[in-house]
Amino acid sequence: EVQLVESGGGLVQPGGSLRLSCAASGFTFNSYAMSWVRQAPGKGLEWVSAMSGSGGSTYYADSVKGRFTIFRDNSKNALFLQMNSLRAEDTALYYCTKGLTLMAIDAFDIWGRGTMVIVSS
Amino acid sequence: DIQLTQSPSSLSASVGDSITITCQASQDISDYLNWYQQRPGKAPRLLIYDASTLETGVPSRFSGSGSGTDFTFTISSLQPEDIATYYCQQYDSLPTFGPGTKVDIK
Repeated sequence: EVQLVESGGGLVQPGGSLRLSCAASGFTFNSYAMSWVRQAPGKGLEWVSAMSGSGGSTYYADSVKGRFTIFRDNSKNALFLQMNSLRAEDTALYYCTKGLTLMAIDAFDIWGRGTMVIVSS
Repeated sequence: DIQLTQSPSSLSASVGDSITITCQASQDISDYLNWYQQRPGKAPRLLIYDASTLETGVPSRFSGSGSGTDFTFTISSLQPEDIATYYCQQYDSLPTFGPGTKVDIK
C-alpha cells in the first residue's frame, strides 16, 4: 500500500524552528518528486515546497523562501522540511505529497494525513 | 504567480443533480490543471489531472474539461458522499490552488 506518514509538528514560538518528517512506503521513492502542501485552519490549500526525485532540484513558495529548506534521504525513503524563523502565519496542517509522474511538479496523487504546526507565544 | 479563481465559492444541490464548477487562470496554462476533493476532516484526493484525465479509481460521474485559461469540473449525478470542498490546482509554473468550492446537499 502506498503511504505517507508525517511527523514532527507541534507548538513553537515565533522565530523558532521545527523539522517535519515524512516516511514513505509502497512505491519507488527516489523516482518521484515530493512536495509539502499546507492548510491553515479553516482555509484553502497552499503549496509550500518541492524536491525532485534525485534531490537535485528544489522549489519554494515565495512565502517560505529563505526560511524553509526541503531535503530528502532516498536511502531511508524519507522527506523533510526544516522550518526556521517561524511566523504566526505558518500555522497550518502540513501535508506530505507525492508527485504523479517523474516530472518535478505536476499533480499530487498521494497525501499523508498531515502534521499540525502551531506558531504562537 | 498564476492566480486561479473558482466559482461558485459554494453551492447546494440535490442528490442526482449535475453540478459544474469553473476555474479560471490568470494566464494561459495549457492543460496543466488538476482537480481535488477534500471531504471534511480528510486529506485532499486527486480526482482529475491534466484538465480531463480521470485518476485511477475515481468514479466516472466526475469529469473535467478546458484548456488555456478556462476550465470546468462536473459531477454528473451528485451523491451524498460528494459533500466536500473542491480545489483546482495549476502546475504551468510553481503550483497554486484555487480558493475552493464547497459543495453541499440540499
